[in-house]
Amino acid sequence: GAVVSQHPSRVICKSGTSVKIECRSLDFQATTMFWYRQFPKKSLMLMATSNEGSKATYEQGVEKDKFLINHASLTLSTLTVTSAHPEDSSFYICSARDITSGSADTQYFGPGTRLTVL
Amino acid sequence: QKEVEQNSGPLSVPEGAIASLNCTYSDRGSQSFFWYRQYSGKSPELIMSIYSNGDKEDGRFTAQLNKASQYVSLLIRDSQPSDSATYLCAVISNTDKLIFGTGTRLQVFP
Repeated sequence: GAVVSQHPSRVICKSGTSVKIECRSLDFQATTMFWYRQFPKKSLMLMATSNEGSKATYEQGVEKDKFLINHASLTLSTLTVTSAHPEDSSFYICSARDITSGSADTQYFGPGTRLTVL
Repeated sequence: QKEVEQNSGPLSVPEGAIASLNCTYSDRGSQSFFWYRQYSGKSPELIMSIYSNGDKEDGRFTAQLNKASQYVSLLIRDSQPSDSATYLCAVISNTDKLIFGTGTRLQVFP
């Protein structure tokens, strides 16, 4: 149980284009999902908390107009990197909580999306 | 002071030995603690969660929590080369966010 998928797993795009990443909870409903970014040899940094049916909560220093988050259903959250630039190249990972499980604060991670902006 | 601190390693242990990974945290009010394993190029995989002082065992893994010392550890018995990975300690903060340490890289050599 508690499987989270992400699509695509890898994307290469030109500078200035927008990229959409999907995060899905496959076997549970997730009212809250999280988006992280990880640079090489660094730890995961929380970018934003995605709430179903409401606006996302962004961490300090994360531009909400650049990283658009939509959580339209209980099983899907999307992150759109708008006008991507080479410095946005990173490993983007989503996670979700299964609040019906015995440990409601446990986060299960998707496989990640590696974004390379040329 | 970082919220969650780990030694970056690498920690090198021979196959069959016990690997001991340590983590300290700064928020005394934290109640939920996690160990994740991350292979190179992959996303984190949950190994264990622990909420109460003492030991919690799951197979070859034992998590230890000491809230008074603000210390969490993970022991891996009978280490295998396939255990070679980065181990991330994570703590739920007082703002309900999961805060990660920088991870300890473990190398198990045959």
